[in-house]
Amino acid sequence: QITLNESGPTLVKPTQTLTLTCTFSGFSLSTSGLGVAWIRQPPGKALDWLAVIYWDDETLYSPSLKSRLSITKDTSINQVVLTMTNMDSVDTATYYCARLSPYCTTSCFLAGFDYWGQGALITVS
Amino acid sequence: DIVLTQSPGTLSLSPGERATLSCRASQRANSNYLSWYQQKPGQAPRLLIYGASSRATGIPDRFSGSGSGTDFTLTISRLEPEDFGVYYCQHFRNSLFTFGPGTKLEVK
Repeated sequence: QITLNESGPTLVKPTQTLTLTCTFSGFSLSTSGLGVAWIRQPPGKALDWLAVIYWDDETLYSPSLKSRLSITKDTSINQVVLTMTNMDSVDTATYYCARLSPYCTTSCFLAGFDYWGQGALITVS
Repeated sequence: DIVLTQSPGTLSLSPGERATLSCRASQRANSNYLSWYQQKPGQAPRLLIYGASSRATGIPDRFSGSGSGTDFTLTISRLEPEDFGVYYCQHFRNSLFTFGPGTKLEVK
């Protein structure tokens, strides 16, 4: 059974740094092709991708937030950590971590975010 | 960067009816990287379709995806009560994951 769970503070003050941890089970982030991403959703709004880290330590960031984000992984304890600096009220959102997995035919492609955590509501105030 | 536009913004239908949701890309999209998600209130999104037309594990066959180039469609052949919610398309290109603004499918 694959599960992901986000943890971190529920309330952050403006200018502070947010640290969120995604603890997962049922898969290993050392498996070729897999990744874990962070995606957020402001109240009543659409999904907004933030960052992803792959099994081979490659990282990708949303260009608009790249200067504020850092994503790391600890494969030995099945955790991915996101830090976001200089938090502002506009960063108030539910933050999800999600697994990114591939599918292969003659080549391999990203199959999308197939497992998600329940989300963590982060309020900046 | 590719921008995804979804239409309609809101779709009001009754159970048993057919739903057709559209996702349009601002540039030609790689269908191998086009996915659809369903989200119900208070829940995380659920992957429905990947590669534009492949159903994810456990997704009923009343859900189907199609399209290529700039136009993609999610079709629900006969709506069940549990199908109402918000649907998002998503694409990956040039190291960037993009979500559409969503279509809300509501009970008429």
